Amino acid sequence: SQQGEEDPQALSIQEGENATMNCSYKTSINNLQWYRQNSGRGLVHLILIRSNEREKHSGRLRVTLDTSKKSSSLLITASRAADTASYFCATPSGTYKYIFGTGTRLKVLA
Amino acid sequence: DTEVTQTPKHLVMGMTNKKSLKCEQHMGHRAMYWYKQKAKKPPELMFVYSYEKLSINESVPSRFSPECPNSSLLNLHLHALQPEDSALYLCASSHPGLVSGPQSYEQYFGPGTRLTVT
Repeated sequence: SQQGEEDPQALSIQEGENATMNCSYKTSINNLQWYRQNSGRGLVHLILIRSNEREKHSGRLRVTLDTSKKSSSLLITASRAADTASYFCATPSGTYKYIFGTGTRLKVLA
Repeated sequence: DTEVTQTPKHLVMGMTNKKSLKCEQHMGHRAMYWYKQKAKKPPELMFVYSYEKLSINESVPSRFSPECPNSSLLNLHLHALQPEDSALYLCASSHPGLVSGPQSYEQYFGPGTRLTVT
């Protein structure tokens, strides 16, 4: 399968804790993106990390990329109930196609 | 305006019906996408239009027929669907650059149409 694998599949934490999710592919990855999806809604772009970057920050988000291991991680610090959602990584494949990861379902308990 | 709109939000149709899903964006994006998403699964690419021309068809059954009337609109015509086609159908748009190139563009997604085939 061309899908990226994400772990954990599901994560439940208390508000204020940090949440870490990982994404890995069997094929080479570059320009990796992370998206958030609230229940039954469309995906929202969170952050893009390019192939020549190893780490990137955006607000409470920290993303790392290891192209040699074909993997990326997303850290959400000081989580809030509003962060409850599914999170997907995505990497380009060909001209217009993105290969999405299997997703991590995050639940933040108030 | 950074919004992609989709209509209808919900659709219930029988297996003999013909219906259409609509998607619209006014961001000047020249690449538009249809995805199908089952519960607790990632989106699966169905079609990509670039500059109003079909660029990718991911071997989608002919009961799904896409159309791009102009640079802002994307339709998905549905006919003789099966119950297993029930899913969330997502439209997205982006700049049409090479996604794996130095300028990799984010996709903007609409809220989706929840389709139920009975």
